[in-house]
Amino acid sequence: DAMVIQNPRYQVTQFGKPVTLSCSQTLNHNVMYWYQQKSSQAPKLLFHYYDKDFNNEADTPDNFQSRRPNTSFCFLDIRSPGLGDAAMYLCASTAGGYNSPLHFGNGTRLTVT
Amino acid sequence: QQQVKQSPQSLIVQKGGISIINCAYENTAFDYFPWYQQFPGKGPALLIAIRPDVSEKKEGRFTISFNKSAKQFSLHIMDSQPGDSATYFCAASPSYNTDKLIFGTGTRLQVFP
Repeated sequence: DAMVIQNPRYQVTQFGKPVTLSCSQTLNHNVMYWYQQKSSQAPKLLFHYYDKDFNNEADTPDNFQSRRPNTSFCFLDIRSPGLGDAAMYLCASTAGGYNSPLHFGNGTRLTVT
Repeated sequence: QQQVKQSPQSLIVQKGGISIINCAYENTAFDYFPWYQQFPGKGPALLIAIRPDVSEKKEGRFTISFNKSAKQFSLHIMDSQPGDSATYFCAASPSYNTDKLIFGTGTRLQVFP
């Protein structure tokens, strides 16, 4: 009954080969996030959208881009994946506002060969 | 000032015991403190959250204790069960801006029968 759905669950790409990860949410939430989580670490925020307003974290590499064509969908594009980009990528959404919890998807595990 | 320090990094508890995870923060603007539970291969899920106008919040076997003057909060899991084995993340943000949720480094809990 996942309401934030990420596809694919596992993605293997080659060094330098562009890859796109997708996320959809059925919660009609205004805010969507992309997090990167490496093994045994906390999720690290890459960027988020408040409606169509894009907010990039200062330390997110230019190699990472995002698109949100509509309320339900959000994409993470990695233009030239490096070995250091291998991680779990988590999408989350929230209604925004006071104490709104984040709802996470189950992630996409990216492997770079 | 933006960090949330979490300890221990890992915790092993026998079934029926009490699991205690501690977090500390510096930013006095933080006033929303959620705990997320993450099972292997899954995204984090909100477990319980507290605001600093109360010193304790209990939901079933899970209790958050909050010490505003010490800027510390902790998660207590009573009667720990093997099904509680997961990674737990504390987090903090200003309640008016959960876009700025800061995660702790995580605690891997293992509960043995």
